Order: sequence, then C-alpha cells, then structure tokens
Amino acid sequence: DAGVTQSPTHLIKTRGQQVTLRCSPKSGHDTVSWYQQALGQGPQFIFQYYEEEERQRGNFPDRFSGHQFPNYSSELNVNALLLGDSALYLCASTPGFTYEQYFGPGTRLTVT
Amino acid sequence: AQSVAQPEDQVNVAEGNPLTVKCTYSVSGNPYLFWYVQYPNRGLQFLLKYITGDNLVKGSYGFEAEFNKSQTSFHLKKPSALVSDSALYFCAVIFEHGSGNTGKLIFGQGTTLQVKP
Repeated sequence: DAGVTQSPTHLIKTRGQQVTLRCSPKSGHDTVSWYQQALGQGPQFIFQYYEEEERQRGNFPDRFSGHQFPNYSSELNVNALLLGDSALYLCASTPGFTYEQYFGPGTRLTVT
Repeated sequence: AQSVAQPEDQVNVAEGNPLTVKCTYSVSGNPYLFWYVQYPNRGLQFLLKYITGDNLVKGSYGFEAEFNKSQTSFHLKKPSALVSDSALYFCAVIFEHGSGNTGKLIFGQGTTLQVKP
C-alpha cells in the first residue's frame, strides 16, 4: 500500500512564474491538506480539500489555489511566485474527518 | 487564538538516557494533540496522538507522551534514547469547535533532538 506521494521532489522557479505541485493521497483517504514549511519553522496550513471542494483555508493569499480530482488526488498552484514562497510543501491525507494525517515527503520549491 | 509552543530549540541527551521534549498548547475547547518526527529531507512521520481517554499515550518507536490538562502540556518522552532518534520533532494540535474536527493542524516551531553515543 503506497503512502502519500508528491511530485516533483524538487523544483526551481523564477520570481513571477507559476508552479503546480501534485499529491496522491494514501489509498482510501479522501481528504487532502496542504502545508508550507519554511526553513527552520513548523508547517503552516494552507488549505484542505474534501469532495473536490476547499473545506477550509489558512492565512495564505489568493495566489495559492488548489484543486481536488474525483480520484482524491490534489494540486497546489501558486501564481506570481515570490522569493518568500521558497519552502517545503507538504501534502497530508486523512480518511474522512478523522484526526490522524499522513504526510508525503514534500516538494522542495526554490524561487530565484 | 490557538497555538502550540515548544520552548526548546534543541535537546541533547546521551544514548541510553531518558529523553523529554516539551510542548505546551493554548486552545479553547477540546485539544487533540499530536507528535510528529521529521528526518532530514523527509516529510513528517506520525508518532502518537491524544484524543481522549488515558492521559499517558504510547506511540511508535517506544515514544510516549503525557497529556496534562491543568498545565496545558503534552511532553514527549522515551525511557532510553537511541542515536537513531536524532531528528526534528513537532508538536501539533487540532482545534475542535462546535462544527467538529476542523482538520487544521497547528504546529509548534519544532525541537531538534540530538542523541550522542
């Protein structure tokens, strides 16, 4: 049983560009959350998707958007990249509204 | 506002000695508490959780944590540390309000555990 997978592993982008990160949840999990982990800090909640809808959102600008597909996989899109968007982006999946979240290995985004 | 604090940036312990990584929280309502571990260039791995019930929670790899409501703490412990336990540890809380589980994990800043041979 594969765990949470994320792609790509690493990514380098230039300021002002757009990026799409992808996440496949653990088998049987229908809820996907995204977190941003800046260097030396704890992860910060971006948003959560359930039944293809954004269920709740953290304190991130509208440049951060997402999508969930019928197979529960998810994308995180970031427009107009800033240097401060450089971080490890983590995806977590949960079977419904339970408490335990399973994290993927993350995508390391570097904005130059 | 709900928050989690990990007062120590780093904890150093000798292999074989007991270890404690501290965590305090501030929420209104019922706190659901978690510990995660992160190895270099890896995602977070779940260690244990407190939802309800016994205040002493046992988790993976021999770790345990004690929920103390009066002190609003949830310290991570292990009776005998291993060098392989060296990693970054995060305490987190899910805040539950009237509409149920929000699913939003709030993390502390993390504590680096260094176990020396």
